[in-house]
Amino acid sequence: DIQMTQSPSSLSASVGDRVTITCRASETINYFLNWYQQRPGIAPKLLIYATSNLQSGVPSRFSGSGSGTDFTLTISSLQPDDFATYYCQQSYNSPVTFGGGTKVDIK
Amino acid sequence: EVQLVESGGGLVQPGGSLRLSCAASGFTFSSHNMNWVRQAPGKGLEWISFLSFTGNTIYYADSVKGRFTISRDNAKNSLFLEMNSLRAEDTAVYYCATDRHHGDYLRGCSFNIWGLGTMVTVSS
Repeated sequence: DIQMTQSPSSLSASVGDRVTITCRASETINYFLNWYQQRPGIAPKLLIYATSNLQSGVPSRFSGSGSGTDFTLTISSLQPDDFATYYCQQSYNSPVTFGGGTKVDIK
Repeated sequence: EVQLVESGGGLVQPGGSLRLSCAASGFTFSSHNMNWVRQAPGKGLEWISFLSFTGNTIYYADSVKGRFTISRDNAKNSLFLEMNSLRAEDTAVYYCATDRHHGDYLRGCSFNIWGLGTMVTVSS
């Protein structure tokens, strides 16, 4: 199975900060990497698919990059709605696997 | 309105069975691959099964293979998960989710529509 490792597991930031979350795959997954946001008690929301494609309706402050095994989610200017947990997910092979999550909270 | 609504969760004893349902509306269900994803209390997301829109391609996580069965009824816009031999570690919120990409294969899937989830508790 492909293991997905996110870092950091948590971070504290302020509104307006630039935030970067990284995700590393245990083997190459080409560009088959997606990012999700989950607020407490609510289903996850797709933010970015295929490494860098913004899902419809997602604000442009979210962006993704990377290839092969190393990927990044960037929030250019953190907003109050962005305090949540973020997950990466690979869909290169079965089983589909998620990273352990990165919780972004208020500094 | 595009919507997925899960049902069928509840409290079940170890070794027991449950059948989850996911009712789709507001989009062409028969054109979409579907998935089940679960989340244990306080834990991360775990994908457990994929079923292509044709019904021809099915995948399971090792943790549920041989115990869970995914199926769909396109005429009723519904997805199902038959769960047998349930264990305490199956306790979780179970979500159904559509695959954004179209193709009778798993590679490249991303989950763009999610239900609200249904809670399954396995305990004596």
